[in-house]
Amino acid sequence: SQQGEEDPQALSIQEGENATMNCSYKTSINNLQWYRQNSGRGLVHLILIRSNEREKHSGRLRVTLDTSKKSSSLLITASRAADTASYFCATDPDNTDKLIFGTGTRLQVFP
Amino acid sequence: EPEVTQTPSHQVTQMGQEVILRCVPISNHLYFYWYRQILGQKVEFLVSFYNNEISEKSEIFDDQFSVERPDGSNFTLKIRSTKLEDSAMYFCASSEPASGPYEQYFGPGTRLTVT
Repeated sequence: SQQGEEDPQALSIQEGENATMNCSYKTSINNLQWYRQNSGRGLVHLILIRSNEREKHSGRLRVTLDTSKKSSSLLITASRAADTASYFCATDPDNTDKLIFGTGTRLQVFP
Repeated sequence: EPEVTQTPSHQVTQMGQEVILRCVPISNHLYFYWYRQILGQKVEFLVSFYNNEISEKSEIFDDQFSVERPDGSNFTLKIRSTKLEDSAMYFCASSEPASGPYEQYFGPGTRLTVT
């Protein structure tokens, strides 16, 4: 079993629609972070939510965290073609400073 | 805005050769990391480094790998004798030393191709 699995694996939507991606993890965590990766490029940090937070907003991004269910969701509102990328959740399990990445959701936004 | 930089962007090497991947972390950061991503797979943690020593390493980070901070700005990953399966994208990351949660900032990566 893997720490950090996103679903869906792939998501295709039209510009203007909202995109929701989910992440599940297995161990207790300090924080959960979401990253974006454009094809073949580096990872861009989007948002960090602490384990004692339930919801966080940043621009068009909304992240929720449910530690009882060990899950998080990333909502991108009013999507744009430029949002096309892979999105990964990453957790840092208790007492470690490493990030464990999920498998990612490939988002395609059609203009 | 400060960013993590990595060189080279692409490195091609023959099996058995040594490679050194270089990173310049964000200047006021004190925690440094290397991750790798084999094509089409997850990003995997390799090693973390703080106060001039390894703080944690994964099973992937065997004796063939080493890290060094040779001066005040560079952070390097050395692979002593490359194997075909070392072909991957290697990402360097850094974070601030603050207590509490911190974000890891990633560089653009070095694509390593072992032939």
